[in-house]
Amino acid sequence: GAVVSQHPSRVICKSGTSVKIECRSLDFQATTMFWYRQFPKKSLMLMATSNEGSKATYEQGVEKDKFLINHASLTLSTLTVTSAHPEDSSFYICSASGVIGQPQHFGDGTRLSIL
Amino acid sequence: DAKTTQPTSMDCAEGRAANLPCNHSTISGNEYVYWYRQIHSQGPQYIIHGLKNNETNEMASLIITEDRKSSTLILPHATLRDTAVYYCIVGLNDYKLSFGAGTTVTVRA
Repeated sequence: GAVVSQHPSRVICKSGTSVKIECRSLDFQATTMFWYRQFPKKSLMLMATSNEGSKATYEQGVEKDKFLINHASLTLSTLTVTSAHPEDSSFYICSASGVIGQPQHFGDGTRLSIL
Repeated sequence: DAKTTQPTSMDCAEGRAANLPCNHSTISGNEYVYWYRQIHSQGPQYIIHGLKNNETNEMASLIITEDRKSSTLILPHATLRDTAVYYCIVGLNDYKLSFGAGTTVTVRA
């Protein structure tokens, strides 16, 4: 079946560094990809929607300059957490959709820990 | 999108059917019911979705009441690997999924 690959699965870095997370659709063309954030014992919160070749649409309260999203091809979207701080520590999950109406497919998430 | 209400948690016996309820009394006529689950420390996994008719696939069955105000996800033979948080989501499509708290299902041997 359709697979979405997310990399890295876990990253630990110092405060102030920038971290890039990749989301790839392996066997289908993803016209739309979504980025979610999940804090411990909480549900997933949508951060932004990215469409290939255009600017991402951010949800209210999500800083676009803090969370840079690039969707340069139909199989790859990246999320860069810029100048990360401890409060950015979270579980980041991407999903991809090829055709509206077909189920989204999720990556296995990236656990980001900022020291 | 319409909101959903699910029990916070459920325990199920291994090998027995697990019936997970979901209320969506404000669902509109063209909104689907989607079910996803999230096993600990993994991304959500699609299970099933439906509009009006009952649906069945290799993972589960979805029973939607005639007035569409509630539905039940049925896992026919629960295994320990079915322990997860199950999310019932209602929307026109799954373009922008709005995850609630879900039901934490624990399958016990």
